[in-house]
Amino acid sequence: NAGVTQTPKFQVLKTGQSMTLQCAQDMNHNSMYWYRQDPGMGLRLIYYSASEGTTDKGEVPNGYNVSRLNKREFSLRLESAAPSQTSVYFCASRGAGDAYNEQFFGPGTRLTVL
Amino acid sequence: AQSVSQHNHHVILSEAASLELGCNYSYGGTVNLFWYVQYPGQHLQLLLKYFSGDPLVKGIKGFEAEFIKSKFSFNLRKPSVQWSDTAEYFCADLMNSGGYQKVTFGTGTKLQVIP
Repeated sequence: NAGVTQTPKFQVLKTGQSMTLQCAQDMNHNSMYWYRQDPGMGLRLIYYSASEGTTDKGEVPNGYNVSRLNKREFSLRLESAAPSQTSVYFCASRGAGDAYNEQFFGPGTRLTVL
Repeated sequence: AQSVSQHNHHVILSEAASLELGCNYSYGGTVNLFWYVQYPGQHLQLLLKYFSGDPLVKGIKGFEAEFIKSKFSFNLRKPSVQWSDTAEYFCADLMNSGGYQKVTFGTGTKLQVIP
């Protein structure tokens, strides 16, 4: 199993540009999450998807949209990037069975908005 | 509201020194507590977790944590740190609410181990 994968690993955007961060998991998990990590602030939840076909806002959803394309994939879109969105973005999926109370994280996407 | 506090933002230790990183959580219900480590430029890795049972939890790489319910604490310890332990450490608390699973992270503690 590859676990949770994210693309791209790095991205530089200009203010106003748009882009989509991709996330996929091969563990057949139902729930998936997008977080952003900023220095001194830990990880903050942007959006989550409890199951295929549903999405909900987290703590910091402004400026983002998401799509749960299928059970495997959960993408995060920045329609008009702003310097405040410079961050490291992590995707995660929620485990099942014995790992029900655990989230599995991807390697992250480091985004810089100039 | 659920919150996790890590009071040490930056810790500097010499190799072989003992480590204790503090973590306090606020949620009074069922606890699901975690410590993650993030090495420079890498993603989060799970060090250990506590759901119930023995309050002293052993994790990978020689780390352990003690859950003290009366103090709402879940401190991370290691008897003797190595240079390779230089990383950022995050405490986290997971709460299940219906179909929604909310993970609250602390702000992190950067550990620098000097050879």
